[in-house]
Amino acid sequence: QSALTQPASVSGSLGQSITISCTGTSSDVGSYNLVSWYQQHPGKAPRLMIYEVFGRPSGVSNRFSGSKSGNTASLTISGLQAEDEADYYCCSYAGNSIVIFGGGTKLTVL
Amino acid sequence: QVQLQESGPGLVKPSQTLSLTCTVSGGSTSSGGFYWSWVRQHPGKGLEWIGYIYYSGSTYYNPSLKSRVIMSVDTSNNQFSLILSSVTAADTAVYYCAREWGGKYFFDYWGQGTLVTVSS
Repeated sequence: QSALTQPASVSGSLGQSITISCTGTSSDVGSYNLVSWYQQHPGKAPRLMIYEVFGRPSGVSNRFSGSKSGNTASLTISGLQAEDEADYYCCSYAGNSIVIFGGGTKLTVL
Repeated sequence: QVQLQESGPGLVKPSQTLSLTCTVSGGSTSSGGFYWSWVRQHPGKGLEWIGYIYYSGSTYYNPSLKSRVIMSVDTSNNQFSLILSSVTAADTAVYYCAREWGGKYFFDYWGQGTLVTVSS
């Protein structure tokens, strides 16, 4: 299984919205609604932001939303804030009890 | 609140065995419905799933590491462990333990991570 494909970097201004894509295949993202997203600040552990494509854990701002179309999942962050600047990783079930991550996207808030 | 804490040597010699333990508090490794997982992150790189273990002892490993990985669970001490054999410099990484929702495949609680360096 290959890693899911994410853009290396995205940027947006304070208050704007951005979307991070996560492209897999018909064997992973396209086959299961089991995509999750993680935020990671430097030197910190990843934090779950979205599960099962669009589920939002308690405590996560409703500015974070997830979606999926075909083999591509997306994370949208609206009303960008300075603290949103971080690395973001997608993750998908790939069958046979295997999980794969994306390569990560660095979000810069301008 | 579930908390996880990794422990183990921070330095391992090439060809030797890396051994880490994750201690769980605020939750139980013997409760069904969760997989107890290991994820690593090479310096400056992305996340890599290593595998997970269920309280019953069932294990599932990343195919790329399967030949070198053994996981175990000690429900009496609320711990689970990772053994990675025949390590090389390519195994230098921050190793995280995490709780994974069984059947849903997402990680809701993570340890702080521990850096393991492979060097002579």
